[in-house]
Amino acid sequence: GAVVSQHPSRVICKSGTSVKIECRSLDFQATTMFWYRQFPKQSLMLMATSNEGSKATYEQGVEKDKFLINHASLTLSTLTVTSAHPEDSSFYICSAPKTSGGTYNEQFFGPGTRLTVL
Amino acid sequence: AQSVSQHNHHVILSEAASLELGCNYSYGGTVNLFWYVQYPGQHLQLLLKYFSGDPLVKGIKGFEAEFIKSKFSFNLRKPSVQWSDTAEYFCAVNSGGGADGLTFGKGTHLIIQP
Repeated sequence: GAVVSQHPSRVICKSGTSVKIECRSLDFQATTMFWYRQFPKQSLMLMATSNEGSKATYEQGVEKDKFLINHASLTLSTLTVTSAHPEDSSFYICSAPKTSGGTYNEQFFGPGTRLTVL
Repeated sequence: AQSVSQHNHHVILSEAASLELGCNYSYGGTVNLFWYVQYPGQHLQLLLKYFSGDPLVKGIKGFEAEFIKSKFSFNLRKPSVQWSDTAEYFCAVNSGGGADGLTFGKGTHLIIQP
């Protein structure tokens, strides 16, 4: 199957700092990528849709100024948690849908990034 | 808005037992349905998906699921589980052509005892 990577896998930062998380589709191009957040022992919650060449679409209740998304190329989306606070500590996961001949195939998930804000 | 409900949060079975994990969704339109598995320390992996056609869907590793439209359900089944099936299982839905963001259920933690 296709591969989606995330970097870093784990990050610890001080409150007030900003953290950037990268999501890359390694062997296919993705005009759209998705960012999810997973709290301990809970499900994944869709945060936003990252669109290559245009603005991201945020789910209700997600602060777009807090979680900046940039989809700079067909293989890279970045999520920046600005002025992070302890309540932002979570597991952030990205996914990218792969299409073949214009037909949707499958969504592939990254391994996730564990963010801990002290 | 879509929502997904998984009834069993923790399931413990012995090897060779049969498995059925419940999943119900709420959405007024056409949905696509998925089951994902997350083994400890690993990525989410797709077990199976339903878009249209035969409501009985077969996936990888001997799993299958049945879409019952009248019940808004998409239960996951396996006739005989193995110790290696120990994992977290998520039911998910989306609409459109299938490439939209997913709405996940809370997940079921499955433990298979040898």
